[in-house]
Amino acid sequence: DSGVTQTPKHLITATGQRVTLRCSPRSGDLSVYWYQQSLDQGLQFLIQYYNGEERAKGNILERFSAQQFPDLHSELNLSSLELGDSALYFCASSVVPSGGSDTQYFGPGTRLTVL
Amino acid sequence: ILNVEQSPQSLHVQEGDSTNFTCSFPSSNFYALHWYRWETAKSPEALFVMTLNGDEKKKGRISATLNTKEGYSYLYIKGSQPEDSATYLCAFRTGNQFYFGTGTSLTVIP
Repeated sequence: DSGVTQTPKHLITATGQRVTLRCSPRSGDLSVYWYQQSLDQGLQFLIQYYNGEERAKGNILERFSAQQFPDLHSELNLSSLELGDSALYFCASSVVPSGGSDTQYFGPGTRLTVL
Repeated sequence: ILNVEQSPQSLHVQEGDSTNFTCSFPSSNFYALHWYRWETAKSPEALFVMTLNGDEKKKGRISATLNTKEGYSYLYIKGSQPEDSATYLCAFRTGNQFYFGTGTSLTVIP
């Protein structure tokens, strides 16, 4: 158990809908990262937050957005869902802002299925 | 999009064998190289974070080396055990971006 929690574990929804995935980082970690793993692709970095501020952006679609709240939990919002958005979404956390040289601890993931 | 390659794609070894695999990445704009161990139905578990050329890190029977000038990192497992069976993933960080390889799937046969 990494100490990072993600809810829900599974989510099934329809095309065009909007969903919110939630992540609580390890106690003391200020940075949160979101990743997507689709069936046909490897792990893709989406976005990083540090202490409430966006720090780095990867291959995140405009239909997706994220935020980190004062209590440091983070939410990833996915809207106008398409079939291709079906994937496993991981959240990870680390202590320091740069993240590049800091160990990241991954949560168990949320599996999103878009029908 | 940068290319991070891992080889081999999969590997089957006998229990007790030592093995190694490679992660290749661009040699420019290097910031850090991460290694993860990823068991089926679980989430990636951090093994090493390497930042300096020539870095060598060790955790039990697993060790890793880094060559940033030529753009590669090796992961070694000494005396493989069945519980080492997993996918080993590397991630290259440059600036504010992370780029993952597709992993090496290791199966250790008892």
